Amino acid sequence: GPKVLQIPSHQIIDMGQMVTLNCDPVSNHLYFYWYKQILGQQMEFLVNFYNGKVMEKSKLFKDQFSVERPDGSYFTLKIQPTALEDSAVYFCASSRDWGQNTLYFGAGTRLSVL
Amino acid sequence: GQQVQQSPASLVLQEGENAELQCNFSTSLNSMQWFYQRPGGSLVSLFYNPSGTKHSGRLTSTTVIKERRSSLHISSSQTTDSGTYLCASPSYQGGRALIFGTGTTVSVSP
Repeated sequence: GPKVLQIPSHQIIDMGQMVTLNCDPVSNHLYFYWYKQILGQQMEFLVNFYNGKVMEKSKLFKDQFSVERPDGSYFTLKIQPTALEDSAVYFCASSRDWGQNTLYFGAGTRLSVL
Repeated sequence: GQQVQQSPASLVLQEGENAELQCNFSTSLNSMQWFYQRPGGSLVSLFYNPSGTKHSGRLTSTTVIKERRSSLHISSSQTTDSGTYLCASPSYQGGRALIFGTGTTVSVSP
């Protein structure tokens, strides 16, 4: 079936550095999402993105976070600067339309901030 | 805020046994989705179930909107069913952000 690819699968960085998480969504999908899951806790919504704009974001989507998808390439989540509490697995998802039944998730990127 | 509780938190099964997983919402909901997550793996959508009962192979999902709950039934469990099952629903405040449950970790032994 359709696949969402996330690169890298694991990233280790020092606190204060910038990090970019990459997501290659399903090719004909138009809506993109990031979710965050701290180890042992619930998956939580960060942001969704459509037509070059953030449509919704949660309070977890701090000012240090930004998303973009330049020229139909990777959908990225950038954190600058990183903090210890940003350590988590970040899941990217995409959908063709607004319906939840078409939501596809990637395998996640584990971010470790030291 | 809106809460989603899943029970049980974990479940150990012998291959061939059936299981019932529950999902309860603290606020009204308009749809429900069940996901399967392998250890360290991506989420796979099992059911998008706004209401009523849906079947897919050995899995059955039943959502009762009025009672703010949904269940996932696994029949004749197999070792490949091991993993974490998550329920999720859009926020009652609208939009498309999914509110996820706490998850049920299922372990099926041969």
